[in-house]
Amino acid sequence: AQSVTQPDIHITVSEGASLELRCNYSYGATPYLFWYVQSPGQGLQLLLKYFSGDTLVQGIKGFEAEFKRSQSSFNLRKPSVHWSDAAEYFCAAFTGGGNTLTFGTGTQLKVEL
Amino acid sequence: DGGITQSPKYLFRKEGQNVTLSCEQNLNHDAMYWYRQDPGQGLRLIYYSQIVNDFQKGDIAEGYSVSREKKESFPLTVTSAQKNPTAFYLCASSPSGSREQFFGPGTRLTVL
Repeated sequence: AQSVTQPDIHITVSEGASLELRCNYSYGATPYLFWYVQSPGQGLQLLLKYFSGDTLVQGIKGFEAEFKRSQSSFNLRKPSVHWSDAAEYFCAAFTGGGNTLTFGTGTQLKVEL
Repeated sequence: DGGITQSPKYLFRKEGQNVTLSCEQNLNHDAMYWYRQDPGQGLRLIYYSQIVNDFQKGDIAEGYSVSREKKESFPLTVTSAQKNPTAFYLCASSPSGSREQFFGPGTRLTVL
């Protein structure tokens, strides 16, 4: 079955430290990939997306993600985390077959001051 | 301002009652989606509609119903057949041919 896996349920980093959130997908072909962020009690906001081309994509709020076909991964990174980045982060994949998004279970980010 | 609105933000209902969650968009998007979110489970697709008067079941459609009579509106009814309806419900929309989805602010439903 097609799936998206986020291995880390919770991550805690210090403000100013670098961040990497992991995402792995399981699909036959390269899917369209997304990272969303959700603040408590709010909807989801798109951070960035990968469809094709350059495997390093830049997003909003200083985030970037790298697509690695050999590892079936699409990890999210930020060089220096701010306290306002504390939120839940979701990786998602779109496959043409179902014409819908499949979401990972999310990673809750806590930022220590 | 263009966007997706969901109302109400918080909803309380007694067990056994049907309840309808509203989702409206003024983005002129063709496709609309309903997701359920539970802690630790990510988002799970309930129903989606790619065009007016047509909709498809998602992964967890049992106990839910929808209608799509207007392009702008995609209401979700949580019926008494849904065994565990307490959750956070998110509506999304997408332009025709796009893979990107735009989300509303969500409705938290609590069944007492």
